[in-house]
Amino acid sequence: SAVISQKPSRDICQRGTSLTIQCQVDSQVTMMFWYRQQPGQSLTLIATANQGSEATYESGFVIDKFPISRPNLTFSTLTVSNMSPEDSSIYLCSVEPPRVGMNEQFFGPGTRLTVL
Amino acid sequence: GNSVTQMEGPVTLSEEAFLTINCTYTATGYPSLFWYVQYPGEGLQLLLKATKADDKGSNKGFEATYRKETTSFHLEKGSVQVSDSAVYFCAQWDETSYDKVIFGPGTSLSVIP
Repeated sequence: SAVISQKPSRDICQRGTSLTIQCQVDSQVTMMFWYRQQPGQSLTLIATANQGSEATYESGFVIDKFPISRPNLTFSTLTVSNMSPEDSSIYLCSVEPPRVGMNEQFFGPGTRLTVL
Repeated sequence: GNSVTQMEGPVTLSEEAFLTINCTYTATGYPSLFWYVQYPGEGLQLLLKATKADDKGSNKGFEATYRKETTSFHLEKGSVQVSDSAVYFCAQWDETSYDKVIFGPGTSLSVIP
């Protein structure tokens, strides 16, 4: 399996500020994904981050609000910019399987964000 | 497009009751199917999975069978415990398309003593 860590695990932030969430995986992977889970809701994909290219955003998400970096094959960051209370969510990163045949994506523990 | 539909809760059961959470999917390919569980205040955990038709995934007393003919992956447990109280997400993922995981809306389960 792939072991994924996220930092911070949780944070409480003020409106108008920005927070950068880090995702570290213990294996080299080409594709990493960022999801958002709003309170009481399911998971929604924000963007796909491939190493060496610009992130691809889903409908309803834009780079100015959620800039993503992918500097190497084991690390990615998601920034939540100019935050408002509506951004209060759990943010999860996931990765493609590091080896063929593993048949699942692997998810990090999530970052629980509260915006006041 | 591909989608996942599951019964929406909340579902409330007494301890030792039988649990079924229905899940159906639509897909253009042949995805793998998953059940994830999220305990209160915690992250997402993979509960079980099945990668092809007629496969049965099982873990912690939970089972689900990949039914291609009915495009279903219903979650069952014969005797639930209070500790099973959580939100359960059915999901699909097609490895060959390197696409996102598609989640159902989630089903909240509360088990009372």
